[in-house]
Amino acid sequence: GAVVSQHPSRVICKSGTSVKIECRSLDFQATTMFWYRQFPKQSLMLMATSNEGSKATYEQGVEKDKFLINHASLTLSTLTVTSAHPEDSSFYICSATGFDTIYFGEGSWLTVV
Amino acid sequence: GIQVEQSPPDLILQEGANSTLRCNFSDSVNNLQWFHQNPWGQLINLFYIPSGTKQNGRLSATTVATERYSLLYISSSQTTDSGVYFCAVRQGGSEKLVFGKGTKLTVNP
Repeated sequence: GAVVSQHPSRVICKSGTSVKIECRSLDFQATTMFWYRQFPKQSLMLMATSNEGSKATYEQGVEKDKFLINHASLTLSTLTVTSAHPEDSSFYICSATGFDTIYFGEGSWLTVV
Repeated sequence: GIQVEQSPPDLILQEGANSTLRCNFSDSVNNLQWFHQNPWGQLINLFYIPSGTKQNGRLSATTVATERYSLLYISSSQTTDSGVYFCAVRQGGSEKLVFGKGTKLTVNP
């Protein structure tokens, strides 16, 4: 079974609202998790590094006030897309390292209408 | 930053055929991984292969770190092999993965 679980798998929201995506490590503790974004037919782009108990580290060009990351426990990181717009529609996927292996969540398809 | 290039971008095969996917990277790496992304978006870790050769069933991979490339071989392809294959690398002590643009594989029955 999955060792990194992501929820929800699909979400549709109205423009201007906020959406929260959860990423959980099921069988191990993860002090660091990563959030990626993937546009259709494109590669995965790292958005930010989520650090347990401290602020996330964002990649260049990623708006930290728009993509809020919280890593409040060793097994949970959340990504909140605030004031979502249609251009935020994308596939968001998280990863965590456990047992010396990188595991990815199932991903979340976000559609902003 | 490091550049990761994959080729070919698209590949169409008949079931049973063999194929080779290539990943070139522009700088030294301490980790290279191959992933398969299925049509539903799920990423499956295929190989962790910073150097050398590994095999897992019909799949095998070879990384020549000194020449900065890696190859993924798929033998006797099946329709379930369809999807996008990504190469991703890490440098130094970082846990960040830098992905190539992927090879989209379509295996027809």
